[in-house]
Amino acid sequence: GQNIDQPTEMTATEGAIVQINCTYQTSGFNGLFWYQQHAGEAPTFLSYNVLDGLEEKGRFSSFLSRSKGYSYLLLKELQMKDSASYLCAVRALAGGFKTIFGAGTRLFVKA
Amino acid sequence: GAGVSQSPSNKVTEKGKDVELRCDPISGHTALYWYRQSLGQGLEFLIYFQGNSAPDKSGLPSDRFSAERTGGSVSTLTIQRTQQEDSAVYLCASSSVNTDTQYFGPGTRLTVL
Repeated sequence: GQNIDQPTEMTATEGAIVQINCTYQTSGFNGLFWYQQHAGEAPTFLSYNVLDGLEEKGRFSSFLSRSKGYSYLLLKELQMKDSASYLCAVRALAGGFKTIFGAGTRLFVKA
Repeated sequence: GAGVSQSPSNKVTEKGKDVELRCDPISGHTALYWYRQSLGQGLEFLIYFQGNSAPDKSGLPSDRFSAERTGGSVSTLTIQRTQQEDSAVYLCASSSVNTDTQYFGPGTRLTVL
């Protein structure tokens, strides 16, 4: 089976940097995604990592260590609009490829 | 191009009634997922279709839930004899087999009275 863990909630200050961690256990790992979900809206894609290392995309970066079953999402220069849930999702080969989501981390950005 | 569409956007039903939720994926996407999300909770995987392969139904919570995908495109999620605990937002997502980046529809908010 698969197991994905991430903190339930985090709070950070506007303009600061925040790191949201995700750990996972899975067989047949084939990639890790981060999605953003604002309240009352559908999730939207942020990043995808399949190899170890850091992927940078503007204010958002995502890191993956496959040997440690660990990823983080780094948000820089936080803005109020970054207040949302951040979902870690793992793609695994299990009778075909399947992506399973973690419960999400709710980020509150305060002024 | 058009994104994933779902209908209806809202559905209010009485306990014990059957409901059908529809998902129209992005054209050409071979993978289609159904999820359920209760208020303030994460995404609960329900069922996964990939091309012509047998669907992965491992997330369906009971035999009252079923889904089909006709012609490899539109999918219908059916809930029979609805219960109050079925109340949630039902999200559909589709992806291409190459990237598996999922594109979500706006969801159907189901309320069972």
